[in-house]
Amino acid sequence: SQKIEQNSEALNIQEGKTATLTCNYTNYSPAYLQWYRQDPGRGPVFLLLIRENEKEKRKERLKVTFDTTLKQSLFHITASQPADSATYLCAASGSSNTGKLIFGQGTTLQVKP
Amino acid sequence: DAGVIQSPRHEVTEMGQEVTLRCKPISGHNSLFWYRQTMMRGLELLIYFNNNVPIDDSGMPEDRFSAKMPNASFSTLKIQPSEPRDSAVYFCASSLGRADYTFGSGTRLTVV
Repeated sequence: SQKIEQNSEALNIQEGKTATLTCNYTNYSPAYLQWYRQDPGRGPVFLLLIRENEKEKRKERLKVTFDTTLKQSLFHITASQPADSATYLCAASGSSNTGKLIFGQGTTLQVKP
Repeated sequence: DAGVIQSPRHEVTEMGQEVTLRCKPISGHNSLFWYRQTMMRGLELLIYFNNNVPIDDSGMPEDRFSAKMPNASFSTLKIQPSEPRDSAVYFCASSLGRADYTFGSGTRLTVV
C-alpha cells in the first residue's frame, strides 16, 4: 500500500542551526508533496508545496526538495528559532484533480535556546 | 474568511451513543476531507468529497461511520453506535482542487 514515512524520533537542535526533516515514500509516485506544521491542540497548517518536476522550493527560512530517484523529500528550516518547535507533517498527492492527500506520521522538532 | 469551522470542539459520550461532528468549509473550496488523528496511526483520511459528491470512502473504518455533504457549505460525520476505540481528534479540511488544504481546529472525541 502507499506509504509516507517520516522519522518518528523527535529532532532536537540548537537555536540558529538548520533543521532537516526527511520524508520517504514507497509504493507511490506522488505528483505533489506538501509540508504542514502542527502545534499541540491545533489543526495542521500548510507551509509549502512542491511538484514532481521541481527540485527545490523556498519560502523565507524554509526550503523543500523533491528527489524522485531517491523517493524522498527533505524539509529544511534555516536559522531555527524556539518558535519553530512543532510537529511537521509531510503529505503526498497524485495527479488527480481531486487532491487526495496522504500524510506521514510527522516529526516533532524541538529548538532549544 | 473565518477558515474551516468545526463543532463541537470537544465531545464526551458514552459507548453506544450516536455522535455527530459538523464542518463548515471555506467558501469557494470544492473539496472537503475528513481525517482522524491518533498517536498510534497519525492522520488517516476517512472520506473526501469533491463538489459535494463522495469520491473515496475507503478510509471509513466500519459501517458505523457515515458522512454527508448536503450542500457546499456543510458536512457531517456520524458515528453510530460509538465505541471507545473511536476516541481521537477528528479534523475537517477543505481545498480548491489540489491547492493547499485548510484544516479546522478539530473535534476531540472521547467515548467512555
